[in-house]
Amino acid sequence: RKEVEQDPGPFNVPEGATVAFNCTYSNSASQSFFWYRQDCRKEPKLLMSVYSSGNEDGRFTAQLNRASQYISLLIRDSKLSDSATYLCVVKVSGGYNKLIFGAGTRLAVHP
Amino acid sequence: NAGVTQTPKFQVLKTGQSMTLQCAQDMNHEYMSWYRQDPGMGLRLIHYSVGAGITDQGEVPNGYNVSRSTTEDFPLRLLSAAPSQTSVYFCASSYRLAGNEQFFGPGTRLTVL
Repeated sequence: RKEVEQDPGPFNVPEGATVAFNCTYSNSASQSFFWYRQDCRKEPKLLMSVYSSGNEDGRFTAQLNRASQYISLLIRDSKLSDSATYLCVVKVSGGYNKLIFGAGTRLAVHP
Repeated sequence: NAGVTQTPKFQVLKTGQSMTLQCAQDMNHEYMSWYRQDPGMGLRLIHYSVGAGITDQGEVPNGYNVSRSTTEDFPLRLLSAAPSQTSVYFCASSYRLAGNEQFFGPGTRLTVL
């Protein structure tokens, strides 16, 4: 079983739609959680950190459920420019604060 | 600031050849790391460094060496390339620890024939 699991998608949605991605993690020692965005053939970039109380950044909302060991990302009013792969990233406590990356969920927003 | 730079962008090697992937950052970040990204898998940590002169192995270190003689540079050496090392390689840096925002370079696409 992968340490961080994501539905690979693709999620094909029309502009203006609301879409949600889930991510599950298996290591209960996970400390911090992030969503990164990766455009096709580009490098990953931090989208947002995920806090225990949940957090929002414009059209993006991230939630954390420690009991069930999953995090989610909600995108409202999808734009064409949101088309990308979204990587779920978990930091596990340990000798070097290990980061575990999910394989990503691909989102395609169409007109 | 240029951020994190990587060279080359593309490389084709024959099995058994060696080469060095270059990585440099101008943000004065202590923490630097190398990842490889393969289809259907998340980024996997190869080696990392918490400061000049200090390096350690990550999840998939076999077949790779690193050194960190300066804060800015963190080259990755492939000792004897194998087809299993065909991948996209990303260098990343962050302020202090891995848990802080990782800044990635543009990647190197490596094919080993």
